[in-house]
Amino acid sequence: DIVMTQSPDSLAVSLGARAAINCKSSQSVLYSSNNKNYLAWYQQKPGQPPKLLIYWASTRESGVPDRFSGSGSGTDFTLTISSLQPDDFATYYCQHHNGNFGQGTNLEIK
Amino acid sequence: QVQLVESGGGLVKPGGSLRLSCAASGFTFSDYYMSWIRQAPGKGLEWISYISSSSSHRNYADSVKGRFIISRDNAKNSLYLQMNSLRAEDTAVYYCAKEGMTTLTPTDYWGQGTLVTVSS
Repeated sequence: DIVMTQSPDSLAVSLGARAAINCKSSQSVLYSSNNKNYLAWYQQKPGQPPKLLIYWASTRESGVPDRFSGSGSGTDFTLTISSLQPDDFATYYCQHHNGNFGQGTNLEIK
Repeated sequence: QVQLVESGGGLVKPGGSLRLSCAASGFTFSDYYMSWIRQAPGKGLEWISYISSSSSHRNYADSVKGRFIISRDNAKNSLYLQMNSLRAEDTAVYYCAKEGMTTLTPTDYWGQGTLVTVSS
C-alpha cells in the first residue's frame, strides 16, 4: 500500500497570506501509461464531508477558486492557497486516488 | 444533482454486525465505481473499500479485510457495506462516495455520512 504523509500537521497563517501544504507518497503515484499523477486534494470543514479541490495533482475541480493550486510529481506534492480567505480555514487532505489519505493538515487563522 | 444518502448506522456491541446502505441519485449509478470511507471521531479520513461499476472488482483496506463486504445493486441505485466482527476501533462516521468510471479516479462526491458506534 502507498502511504501518504503530509506536512505540517497544522499551520497558522494570516488572512491574505499564502499557505503551502506538502504531501509525500511512499512510492511514486506517477503512472507511466498516461504520465498522470494519481493525487488528489480535499478540504474538510467541521461537521461536513470532504470536498474535492484538485485531482491529477494539479487539475482544479469545477467551481474551485483559482487561488487553490496543486503542483508536484512522482512522490512530492504541494497544495498552495494564495491570498487566504476566511472560508479557507479548514483541514486539508491529500489522497492517492482510490487509496490512502494523508493524516490531514489543519489550517488555522494566525 | 448528485445525492448520496447513507443509512443504517447506530450503536452495536463488539463482535456484532451492521449493514450500511447508500441511496444514490442524480447520476447513472451503474457507470461509476463507488467507495466507502470512514472517519473516527476527531481523526482523519480512512479509505476502506471500493467496488467497480459491475461489481467485478472490489478492494479493501487491510484494517477491514475479511470482516467487511462491499456490494451494490445497480437496479436499485444502491451501495452497501456489510460489517461483521465489529471492534471498538471501527467506531466512525462512514461516508458513501462516488468515484469515476474507471479505477484510480478521484472521489468527487460524498454523502453526509452515518455514524457507527461500537461499544458494550
